[in-house]
Amino acid sequence: AQSVTQLDSQVPVFEEAPVELRCNYSSSVSVYLFWYVQYPNQGLQLLLKYLSGSTLVKSINGFEAEFNKSQTSFHLRKPSVHISDTAEYFCAVTRNTGGFKTIFGAGTRLFVKA
Amino acid sequence: EAGVAQSPRYKIIEKRQSVAFWCNPISGHATLYWYQQILGQGPKLLIQFQNNGVVDDSQLPKDRFSAERLKGVDSTLKIQPAKLEDSAVYLCASSLSQQGDGSGELFFGEGSRLTVL
Repeated sequence: AQSVTQLDSQVPVFEEAPVELRCNYSSSVSVYLFWYVQYPNQGLQLLLKYLSGSTLVKSINGFEAEFNKSQTSFHLRKPSVHISDTAEYFCAVTRNTGGFKTIFGAGTRLFVKA
Repeated sequence: EAGVAQSPRYKIIEKRQSVAFWCNPISGHATLYWYQQILGQGPKLLIQFQNNGVVDDSQLPKDRFSAERLKGVDSTLKIQPAKLEDSAVYLCASSLSQQGDGSGELFFGEGSRLTVL
C-alpha cells in the first residue's frame, strides 16, 4: 500500500519570504510524484511532477521540488512567494506498477501575507 | 480544449435519499477517476476506470455507492441511500494514459458539492 503525509496543514508566510511545504510518502514499489495546487474556488491543477531522471523538477511559476529516494520525500520550495501563491497544495503519488492508483496527501494551506 | 465537465455543481439532499453525479472527461482520455474530498482532507480515490473497465474500486463503499462508465466516455457516480458522512465534494478527473502507466497528469473538474442533511 502507498501513503502520503504532508507534515504541515497550514503554512503562513510573508510575501517575498521563502517557503517549504513538506511531503513524505511510503510505497512498496516505485512511484511517480506530483504536486497539485488548488486556488480558491478553482479545481485542482498540476504544479509539477517527477517521473524519472533529474531529481530536481521545476514549475513555470518558480516552485521546485526535489525527489529524495532515501528519505522518501518530495518537498516543495519557492525562494520568494507572492500573494497570488495563496492556495492549497496537495502532494500525490502514483505507483508505477499494478493499477497506477494516485493517492493524495491531506493538503497544506499556504497563506501569503502582505 | 474543453476541460472535464461535472454536474451538478451543488446538491443538497436529505439522508436516505439518492443522488447522481455526472462527469464528461476530456476527449480521448482513457482513464477516469472519481475522488471524494471531505472538508479539510485530501482527495480520496473512490474508483478508477481504464476505458470502460474498473481498475480499482477498493475504496468505494459498494453497499451505497455505484459508478459506471458506459462506452468508455462519460461516467456517473450514484449514492443510494445517502448518509450524513457522505457530505463532500466529488471530484472527477481524467488522464490521457492509454496504457494506464500512471505518468500522466490528472485533469480535474470543478467538482460536485454534496450536502446531506
